[in-house]
Amino acid sequence: QQQVKQSPQSLIVQKGGISIINCAYENTAFDYFPWYQQFPGKGPALLIAIRPDVSEKKEGRFTISFNKSAKQFSLHIMDSQPGDSATYFCAASKRDAGNMLTFGGGTRLMVKP
Amino acid sequence: ETGVTQTPRHLVMGMTNKKSLKCEQHLGHNAMYWYKQSAKKPLELMFVYSLEERVENNSVPSRFSPECPNSSHLFLHLHTLQPEDSALYLCASSPAVVGDSPLHFGNGTRLTVT
Repeated sequence: QQQVKQSPQSLIVQKGGISIINCAYENTAFDYFPWYQQFPGKGPALLIAIRPDVSEKKEGRFTISFNKSAKQFSLHIMDSQPGDSATYFCAASKRDAGNMLTFGGGTRLMVKP
Repeated sequence: ETGVTQTPRHLVMGMTNKKSLKCEQHLGHNAMYWYKQSAKKPLELMFVYSLEERVENNSVPSRFSPECPNSSHLFLHLHTLQPEDSALYLCASSPAVVGDSPLHFGNGTRLTVT
């Protein structure tokens, strides 16, 4: 049973465009939702995270939007750059186990110059 | 330098071999993790250690055996693996299991079982 579903699996965006990646979760006990970024040959690294007490969090060009009632959250990358080309993973965890993450399947983003 | 170092970077082993993966973290963290990353599957949490005690074991086959001798080192001992065990094995650490401080991942060991 996949508890966190991520879409799309791959995404191609032109430089300067907006990249949008969506995730949906099933477990209502989840209350921490990070996004990780992974470049080829490297391990994932935390990009941005949100808790369900807010509906949006922005850090630079990266924004998480969170819809608790729909059990969905998304990552928006504004003014996408070729250097943003990577695989992005959403994840979720429960309050008392914040770092035992359940990951989505990943989205491979390519930003064309 | 990620602060979490994994060796070896690549490993090819036969199904009857015994090998070990090593992870070392230089961040002063108290929790360490093994994740499996397979093609076309989500990252799977395998084992979690907090202060050298195992706190999570996600129904991983016994052919994978973790060891955490201290809070800085984590091993994954492998024996009689199957070809479907070929994957990228990622080690991670964090200050604690609870809370929302980020996981720090190593760059992984690419394992191929022949």
